[in-house]
Amino acid sequence: DGGITQSPKYLFRKEGQNVTLSCEQNLNHDAMYWYRQDPGQGLRLIYYSQIVNDFQKGDIAEGYSVSREKKESFPLTVTSAQKNPTAFYLCASTADRGHEQYFGPGTRLTVT
Amino acid sequence: GQQLNQSPQSMFIQEGEDVSMNCTSSSIFNTWLWYKQDPGEGPVLLIALYKAGELTSNGRLTAQFGITRKDSFLNISASIPSDVGIYFCAGQPGGSQGNLIFGKGTKLSVKP
Repeated sequence: DGGITQSPKYLFRKEGQNVTLSCEQNLNHDAMYWYRQDPGQGLRLIYYSQIVNDFQKGDIAEGYSVSREKKESFPLTVTSAQKNPTAFYLCASTADRGHEQYFGPGTRLTVT
Repeated sequence: GQQLNQSPQSMFIQEGEDVSMNCTSSSIFNTWLWYKQDPGEGPVLLIALYKAGELTSNGRLTAQFGITRKDSFLNISASIPSDVGIYFCAGQPGGSQGNLIFGKGTKLSVKP
């Protein structure tokens, strides 16, 4: 079955630690995205990548980093520099930028 | 930057009622998409619209791409309890090859 997987579903970390969220897709999509969602809020774009070995900052990139070494994978690292890291993180991919994006199930990160 | 105004922010439904929500923008859009998100899950694509005036159905859901290209509507007929959740609109601004912009969502709940 084609789709997007994110792991883990729930993640707990202590303040000051970096943490990496996984996102894998087998849809053969070129573009991949990371969004952050806070309660009662819409989706805010963190980073996106249109092609392997290339990525761009979204609206709220500070305190985050990404890599795109393989077409299928787009991991997100939440660094200790991110002031309010506790949130629901969503990964998405699309075959054509500006068209239908397909989302993974999300990772809920809690930092205490 | 570009913004989408989605309304209403929330609404209560009684089983069997029809539901309407909409998204508006101050500028034209090339694409309108509608998603549904269940609690703790990723958004699921419901309907994609690519042409002004287009009317598309998916079961009890019907969405329209406004003639002015500045708005879109989603209707749910004969609502059932599993329709509860958050509905997001998204679109690609006209004249750009850019990323999607998301509305803040309409939360559907069951009338107490």
